[in-house]
Amino acid sequence: DTEVTQTPKHLVMGMTNKKSLKCEQHMGHRAMYWYKQKAKKPPELMFVYSYEKLSINESVPSRFSPECPNSSLLNLHLHALQPEDSALYLCASSQVPQADNSPLHFGNGTRLTVT
Amino acid sequence: AQKITQTQPGMFVQEKEAVTLDCTYDTSDPSYGLFWYKQPSSGEMIFLIYQGSYDQQNATEGRYSLNFQKARKSANLVISASQLGDSAMYFCAMRETVNTGFQKLVFGTGTRLLVSP
Repeated sequence: DTEVTQTPKHLVMGMTNKKSLKCEQHMGHRAMYWYKQKAKKPPELMFVYSYEKLSINESVPSRFSPECPNSSLLNLHLHALQPEDSALYLCASSQVPQADNSPLHFGNGTRLTVT
Repeated sequence: AQKITQTQPGMFVQEKEAVTLDCTYDTSDPSYGLFWYKQPSSGEMIFLIYQGSYDQQNATEGRYSLNFQKARKSANLVISASQLGDSAMYFCAMRETVNTGFQKLVFGTGTRLLVSP
């Protein structure tokens, strides 16, 4: 079983809806990440939080809004999405945000479909 | 900028045989780290093995080993005694340092492995 939990597993939403993806880890990790993965493509980084502060935003459109309420939780708020935003959204965490050998631990992902 | 290349879109292997998945990389950083992840159809990315650029020995984790050839800039994953459950997508990834030390993983395009009985 993965130690990073993501909910929901599947989400279908219309372009006018507002929804949130949730991610939780209890490994004491201080860095958390959102990745987006389109079908048959590798994951692409969206955001990195380090000690609950947004550290990296990979020029993600503002219709995606991340939030890190505490060191264990990471949310991704969605609003006015487009059909091309349909993808697998992966949350990950790592021990420390600095460049070292600590691997990223991923959740099972949320499969998002925008209609 | 760093780059990861996986030239094998798909690989087939029979159960109990060994298979090698190729990965080459390009970087000008003297210190770097290479990771391999497995992604089953369920979607989860599972960490398999890590190799640091200064590690003297090739990394091993159970049935997984990394054939690290620094001069050739290759970090091939070797899976010994393949099992049906090894059928999945495999990604090679490199740690990229951005913004004063934050870790960012950049992934290759992946290799889909199919293990047959």
